[in-house]
Amino acid sequence: DAGVIQSPRHEVTEMGQEVTLRCKPISGHNSLFWYRQTMMRGLELLIYFNNNVPIDDSGMPEDRFSAKMPNASFSTLKIQPSEPRDSAVYFCASTPFQGAGYGYTFGSGTRLTVV
Amino acid sequence: GENVEQHPSTLSVQEGDSAVIKCTYSDSASNYFPWYKQELGKRPQLIIDIRSNVGEKKDQRIAVTLNKTAKHFSLHITETQPEDSAVYFCAASKTGNQFYFGTGTSLTVIP
Repeated sequence: DAGVIQSPRHEVTEMGQEVTLRCKPISGHNSLFWYRQTMMRGLELLIYFNNNVPIDDSGMPEDRFSAKMPNASFSTLKIQPSEPRDSAVYFCASTPFQGAGYGYTFGSGTRLTVV
Repeated sequence: GENVEQHPSTLSVQEGDSAVIKCTYSDSASNYFPWYKQELGKRPQLIIDIRSNVGEKKDQRIAVTLNKTAKHFSLHITETQPEDSAVYFCAASKTGNQFYFGTGTSLTVIP
């Protein structure tokens, strides 16, 4: 299994531009999570999906952020317009939806820099 | 929601010594506690986990203990090696899906 696949690995964009991050979860994993990691705030859960349905998006910082999961094998996190404070590493993770007892598998992350 | 606190934030030990990282959680319904290791520039990776029906679990040089009454759990690394240097995160979950992470401990093993 190739694991959780994220793209791009690095993204540098100018303030005000739209940014789209992509994630392919492990096949058969029914839960998908988007996290943001910064030195100041650590790992923050932005949103998670069960069976492609968004369950909790309370961590999405503001309306500039949106996430979709059109099918079981693909999810996107979009920031529009981007701001310098959005600079962070964004991780996608997946896990089987089988109740307590299974850890996340994280993707390699996307390092976003907004200048 | 759940609140996970992790201490210390940084830890330096001599190679061969033991390292202990402690976490507390607030929600008594939490029942799954994984630990992740994140090397510089890499993804967090699961290294060990424990469920609420178990008090201790070992995997070679790594062990985790859980005290449900006190709502705290700890990671123990024995005979530390330079390659153990990384940031370690604890987490707690009651659904098995949504994890609440601690703020991380940066461990440095001095050769």
